[in-house]
Amino acid sequence: EVKLLESGGGLVQPGGSMRLSCAASGFTFTDFYMNWIRQPAGKAPEWLGFIRNKANGYTTEYNPSVKGRFTISRDNTQNMLYLQMNTLRAEDTATYYCARSGSSSGVMDAWGQGASVTVSS
Amino acid sequence: DIQMTQSPSFLSASVGDRVTINCKASQNINKYLNWYQQKLGEAPKRLIYNTNNLQTGIPSRFSGSGSGTDYTLTISSLQPEDFATYFCLQHNSFPLTFGSGTKLEIK
Repeated sequence: EVKLLESGGGLVQPGGSMRLSCAASGFTFTDFYMNWIRQPAGKAPEWLGFIRNKANGYTTEYNPSVKGRFTISRDNTQNMLYLQMNTLRAEDTATYYCARSGSSSGVMDAWGQGASVTVSS
Repeated sequence: DIQMTQSPSFLSASVGDRVTINCKASQNINKYLNWYQQKLGEAPKRLIYNTNNLQTGIPSRFSGSGSGTDYTLTISSLQPEDFATYFCLQHNSFPLTFGSGTKLEIK
């Protein structure tokens, strides 16, 4: 069974940093692109970026809205995905999801349950 | 960025009704369009991928169609468990972008 489990959310002050984690299981992690998506309460999701799979050199793509502040990385030995968020703003408050994309399974076929991030003083 | 204009924003319907939800892209997205269902407090769940491919385990009352800039999700006969919010996602171009959502409510 495919499982994605985010952790590391919580309350952070404006200007602060936070790292989210996503633990993956039930599939061959290195075969898949891994995405981060966020969703403010009551609003549409926003794709933040992804990190490619082994075959594509684990390179990254970002939404310009967060490029330079957010960094996506992965630890393929631990089947972990990370989102490092810096210089956080109130508008970064959202639920953050990880999701996988695969060549046969398609784009964002499985999602985690989400981690809540609140940026407030 | 490709803008995804989703309509309607709200839809009130009854069990057994046939409903359609639309997404219009600001440019051709070559059928790279997914549909997701989201219930309150849950993650989005993929229903349809690449315009018209039904996700494994999703009932056949859900279907998708479209091409170019115009795409449609159809639910042929609404069931009580279908009342939720629906989003489209284009994955033709970076950044990937979602529609604004359609909240489907019980009439």
